[in-house]
Amino acid sequence: KAGVTQTPRYLIKTRGQQVTLSCSPISGHRSVSWYQQTPGQGLQFLFEYFSETQRNKGNFPGRFSGRQFSNSRSEMNVSTLELGDSALYLCASTSRQGSYEQYFGPGTRLTVT
Amino acid sequence: GESVGLHLPTLSVQEGDNSIINCAYSNSASDYFIWYKQESGKGPQFIIDIRSNMDKRQGQRVTVLLNKTVKHLSLQIAATQPGDSAVYFCAENLSDYKLSFGAGTTVTVRA
Repeated sequence: KAGVTQTPRYLIKTRGQQVTLSCSPISGHRSVSWYQQTPGQGLQFLFEYFSETQRNKGNFPGRFSGRQFSNSRSEMNVSTLELGDSALYLCASTSRQGSYEQYFGPGTRLTVT
Repeated sequence: GESVGLHLPTLSVQEGDNSIINCAYSNSASDYFIWYKQESGKGPQFIIDIRSNMDKRQGQRVTVLLNKTVKHLSLQIAATQPGDSAVYFCAENLSDYKLSFGAGTTVTVRA
């Protein structure tokens, strides 16, 4: 079974721009969560989508948004990029059927200049 | 939020020795805990999990211990190998699939 895939793997953007990251969960998994990983703050929960609905949200500003499609693929968008948004963005999927185990993708490394 | 934290940011261990990685959590209502391993350039990889109604769980070369009285979690790795060098994170399920991660412990295995 293929794992969680994320595209692109690397991205360089300029302050003020916006960016869209994509995540394809493991086949059959309907829940997708997004995390931001930085050296200073570690891994922080952004949001979770299940059946195209946002079920959980972390403490991030409204510039961070996401959505999920009917095939469970998910995208996250960051608008008006700031230097501090430079991070590894990780997506994780779970079946949400009795197990809390989340399977992570390799991440998208975003650099904001 | 950082409701889960690891005691030591780094751990150096001799190959073949046992490793113990510690983690303290603050949310007494958390019902599920996971240990992840993250190698350079990769996403976190599941190692082992434990539910709050257990105090010990064993996997292949790994054991997780949960002490709810002092809100402490530990990961023991037996016969540590070079491939075990990585950053280890503990995480707790705060509510309904929202994981909170600790800061991580970097384990370096000496040959």
